[in-house]
Amino acid sequence: QKEVEQDPGPLSVPEGAIVSLNCTYSNSAFQYFMWYRQYSRKGPELLMYTYSSGNKEDGRFTAQVDKSSKYISLFIRDSQPSDSATYLCAMRTNAGGTSYGKLTFGQGTILTVHP
Amino acid sequence: ETGVTQTPRHLVMGMTNKKSLKCEQHLGHNAMYWYKQSAKKPLELMFVYNFKEQTENNSVPSRFSPECPNSSHLFLHLHTLQPEDSALYLCASSPERGNNEQFFGPGTRLTVL
Repeated sequence: QKEVEQDPGPLSVPEGAIVSLNCTYSNSAFQYFMWYRQYSRKGPELLMYTYSSGNKEDGRFTAQVDKSSKYISLFIRDSQPSDSATYLCAMRTNAGGTSYGKLTFGQGTILTVHP
Repeated sequence: ETGVTQTPRHLVMGMTNKKSLKCEQHLGHNAMYWYKQSAKKPLELMFVYNFKEQTENNSVPSRFSPECPNSSHLFLHLHTLQPEDSALYLCASSPERGNNEQFFGPGTRLTVL
């Protein structure tokens, strides 16, 4: 079983739709949860991060973490064509030693928002 | 731009060639990373350097050899690669090892013939 599972899509939605992107994970030690966005021919960039359980909102983006279900989500409201990208979830533990700071990524979901 | 540059952007090499990938960050960060990104697979961490010291080698074959001469520069030396090594190689940096935000370069698209 992969440590982090993410549906690769592709996901295609009309402009203005609400988009829901999700990841599940198996390692209960994960404490920090991140969403990275990767445009075509670019490297990933951090969109949002959340510590432990709860919600975090930033403009049209909301990140949710449910540690009891080992499930994280990213919601995009009023989606725009400029949101078309690959969205990668990532997470890490608080562990020290050689694993300190190591990010474990999902495989990414390809999102297309069409006008 | 993220402040992390990578050269070359594209590289085609034969299995017997030797080549190097270069990464430079202009952010004053102390940690640098090499990742491999293959189609339909998660990002795979290859190497981590913190204050120029290698702190992680994620079971990477010896045909990949990293070098970090200073905190701003990172190299990945390649020799006798296999076709399955074809992928996008991403460099990233962060203020220190352990930061949630890593700043990625645009990557080098490598094709091994």
